[in-house]
Amino acid sequence: GNSVTQMEGPVTLSEEAFLTINCTYTATGYPSLFWYVQYPGEGLQLLLKATKADDKGSNKGFEATYRKETTSFHLEKGSVQVSDSAVYFCALTRYQAGTALIFGKGTTLSVSS
Amino acid sequence: SAVISQKPSRDICQRGTSLTIQCQVDSQVTMMFWYRQQPGQSLTLIATANQGSEATYESGFVIDKFPISRPNLTFSTLTVSNMSPEDSSIYLCSVEGAGKLFFGSGTQLSVL
Repeated sequence: GNSVTQMEGPVTLSEEAFLTINCTYTATGYPSLFWYVQYPGEGLQLLLKATKADDKGSNKGFEATYRKETTSFHLEKGSVQVSDSAVYFCALTRYQAGTALIFGKGTTLSVSS
Repeated sequence: SAVISQKPSRDICQRGTSLTIQCQVDSQVTMMFWYRQQPGQSLTLIATANQGSEATYESGFVIDKFPISRPNLTFSTLTVSNMSPEDSSIYLCSVEGAGKLFFGSGTQLSVL
């Protein structure tokens, strides 16, 4: 079945540093890919998504490109802020778009000033 | 977007008892999902609940342990039955809308 592998954390960065969180997947068919974020004390919320190969999702300065050839969907941000400290989850659809998601284990990001 | 109200937000329960978690959505949705997030782990899908039919459970989860109700298109409940400390986790309700999942704020369950 579909699965997702996400880099282990925690990731600790200084403010304005470059961020990459790696995510690779195994899938049958053409899943949609997502990054969800969980800020301290809050619920999960969608950060960005991509629904087909070569799509780039972006939001709040974060970007991720759906790479079919490398089965990857790495999350990047050019300059992180303290407010970006959170847990980030990579996820993909189990079948084609519209059904439950499979999540990676999550990567904790801690940004210090 | 969908607004999901989940309650209780947290509870501490004794071993052997049961807890029912409620999930209310502000719009009608076809599919509702229940996830579990164990400490330091990712989210694991427990079951999918469609209105008017039996819930579909994932491997490792059974109806006797996690009975689910879905009486209408805006509401669902998940019961954690005969609890043990291993059931200590965050339980999340989720609905699909506009090509993405929306999550409730979760129920943090501690079993003593």
